[in-house]
Amino acid sequence: DVQLVASGGGLVQPGSDLRLSCTASGFRFIGSAFHWVRQTPGKGLEWLARIRSKANSYATAYAASVKGRFTISRDDSSQKTFLQMTGLEADDTGVYYCTRGYNGLDNNMFDFWGQGILVSVSS
Amino acid sequence: EVVLTQSPGILSLSPGDSATLSCRTSQSVEFNHLAWYRQRPGQAPRILIYGASYRATGIPDRFTGRGAGTDFTLTISRLEPEDFAVYYCQQYGLSPYIFGGGTRVEI
Repeated sequence: DVQLVASGGGLVQPGSDLRLSCTASGFRFIGSAFHWVRQTPGKGLEWLARIRSKANSYATAYAASVKGRFTISRDDSSQKTFLQMTGLEADDTGVYYCTRGYNGLDNNMFDFWGQGILVSVSS
Repeated sequence: EVVLTQSPGILSLSPGDSATLSCRTSQSVEFNHLAWYRQRPGQAPRILIYGASYRATGIPDRFTGRGAGTDFTLTISRLEPEDFAVYYCQQYGLSPYIFGGGTRVEI
C-alpha cells in the first residue's frame, strides 16, 4: 500500500528553524515528484514547494511566500523527502502535508497525502 | 500568478441533490491542467478530477468535471453523505500550483 508518513513538526518560537521529513513506501519513489502543501485557517490550502525526479534533475520550485526561507530536498536511497524551514514566522503556523505526484509520476497534481503534521510558531 | 476564484462559498443541499461548483481562473490554464479535490473534516484532500475532466482512479461517475480556458465546473450528482465536504480546485500547469479558496457543500 502507498504510504507517506510525515514527522518533525511541533511548537517553535518565531525565528526558529524546523525540518520536516516524509517517508514513502509502497511505490516507485525515484520516479515521482514530491510536494509540500500546508493548510491554515486564514489561507486555506497553500502549495509550498516541489522537487522533481532525478530524471528531471531534481528541479525545485517554491511559492513566493516561502522562497528563500524553505528548502525542499529528497533522498532516493532512503525514500524520504524533506522540508527545511528557516526563519519561521507566526504566519507559517498550520498543518503541513507531504504529497506525491499523481500515480507516482513526475507531475503536479496530488493523489496520496501524508497524515498532516502540525507546525505552530509562537512565543 | 494565477488566481482561482471558487463559487459559491457555501452550498446547502440534501442527500440525493445535485451540486454544481464553479472555479474561475484569472488566466487561461495551460493544457487544462485543472484538478478538483474533496476534503472531509480531519482528512487530507483527495483528488477527484484532473485535466479538467478526467476522473481520478476510483472516483465514481457521479463526479463530472468540465470546462476549459478560465472557466471550470465540477458537478456532483446524487449527493451521498460522504460528499458533504469542502471542494478545492487547483491549477497545476505552471508554478505556483495555486488552490482556490474552496466551496463547502453542507446539508
